[in-house]
Amino acid sequence: NAGVMQNPRHLVRRRGQEARLRCSPMKGHSHVYWYRQLPEEGLKFMVYLQKENIIDESGMPKERFSAEFPKEGPSILRIQQVVRGDSAAYFCASSPLSGAGTDTQYFGPGTRLTVL
Amino acid sequence: RKEVEQDPGPFNVPEGATVAFNCTYSNSASQSFFWYRQDCRKEPKLLMSVYSSGNEDGRFTAQLNRASQYISLLIRDSKLSDSATYLCVVTPRSDYKLSFGAGTTVTVRA
Repeated sequence: NAGVMQNPRHLVRRRGQEARLRCSPMKGHSHVYWYRQLPEEGLKFMVYLQKENIIDESGMPKERFSAEFPKEGPSILRIQQVVRGDSAAYFCASSPLSGAGTDTQYFGPGTRLTVL
Repeated sequence: RKEVEQDPGPFNVPEGATVAFNCTYSNSASQSFFWYRQDCRKEPKLLMSVYSSGNEDGRFTAQLNRASQYISLLIRDSKLSDSATYLCVVTPRSDYKLSFGAGTTVTVRA
C-alpha cells in the first residue's frame, strides 16, 4: 500500500511565476490536509479538503493561494505569483476519517519550493 | 505566545545515554497530544500518542502534565538512529488541525 505521494519533490520558481504542488493520498483515504513548514519553524496547517470540497481553509493566505481535491486525480495546492517568502516545505497528509483527535494523519515526503 | 513551544536543542548525547525534553502548549482545551519524529526535514512520522496516564513504547516514555500544560519525552539507552528532530503536536479532541512545535533536535554520538 503506497503511502502519501507528493510531486514534485523539489520545485524552483522565479518571483511572479506559478507553483503547482500535487498530492495523492494513501489508498482508501478521502481526507487531505496541507501544511507549510518555513525554515526553523513548525508545520502550520493550511487547508483541509475532502473530495470536491474545501472543508477548512482557515490557514491559507487570503491571496494567491488555492487548493482543490477533484473527484478524480490528486489534490493540488496552487500558488500564483510566488514571492520569496513562499519558499518553504509543503507537506500533504491524508487520513481515512476526519483526522480529528486520535485519527492519524499520514504525511507525504513534502515538496520543497524555492523562489528565486 | 506560540501555541506549542519547544527547546530547539540540540541535545548532544552519547550512545546509551538517557535524554529528556519538554514541550509546553498554550491552549488549555487541547485534548490530543503526540510526538512525531522528523529526519533531515523529511516528512514527520508519528512516534507515539501521549495519554493522560503517561505511556511507554520500548525505550520511549511520554508524560502529560495538564496542570502545567506540558508534555515530555524521555529516550532511554539512546541509539545512533534516534538522532532526529522531535516534534511536539497538540490538538483539541475534535479538531483535525495539528499544531506543531518547531522541534527539538537530538544528536546521538558514538
